[in-house]
Amino acid sequence: DIQMTQSPTALSASVGDRITVTCRASQRISNLLAWYQQRPGEAPNVVIYEASKLQSGVSSRFSGSGSGTEFALTISSLQPDDYATYYCQQYKSYPHTFGQGTKLEI
Amino acid sequence: QVTLKESGPTQVKPTQTLTLTCTFSGFSLRTGGMTVGWIRQPPGRALESLAVIYWNDDKLYNPSLRSRLTITKDTSQNQVVLTLTSVDPEDTGTYYCARRNILAGHYATWGQGTLVTVSS
Repeated sequence: DIQMTQSPTALSASVGDRITVTCRASQRISNLLAWYQQRPGEAPNVVIYEASKLQSGVSSRFSGSGSGTEFALTISSLQPDDYATYYCQQYKSYPHTFGQGTKLEI
Repeated sequence: QVTLKESGPTQVKPTQTLTLTCTFSGFSLRTGGMTVGWIRQPPGRALESLAVIYWNDDKLYNPSLRSRLTITKDTSQNQVVLTLTSVDPEDTGTYYCARRNILAGHYATWGQGTLVTVSS
């Protein structure tokens, strides 16, 4: 299995801050990576796919970058609605493995 | 509009078999490139892919659970069924089904999830 390692696992930030979460794959996955946002009690929702493509309907404050083994999710100007847990996921090979999550808190 | 919804028991006893059904609408599993996968999440923990079924009936399983998992589809009913045998408390969690088009790669639409507790 491809291992996905996220950092940090928890992050405190204020409204208006810019934050970056990183994700490292244990082997090269090209750009076959998605980022999901999960609010408490809800299912995950994709925000970024193919490492840098913004899902339709998602705020342009979200952006993704990276290729190969190193990836990043950046949220500019945090809004109250952004406080959630974020997961990266590779879909290069099955099982499609997820990172351990980054909990973004106020 | 694409929707998926999971259904099944909320509680099962250790050693029993868990059967979950994903009923979907807004797409067909007869369409080339379409897949439906199952993903679970133990309480307070990360997501884990379990199994995926393709439009052509190909199936992939998480190797760590392969001996206990079976995924099937009923295209006429727009349903995908997951069975997990010999459950134990470690199988407690929320189980999600989600749609994935292999051309896109990511899971674009998820069901709301169903919480299953394994306890005697």
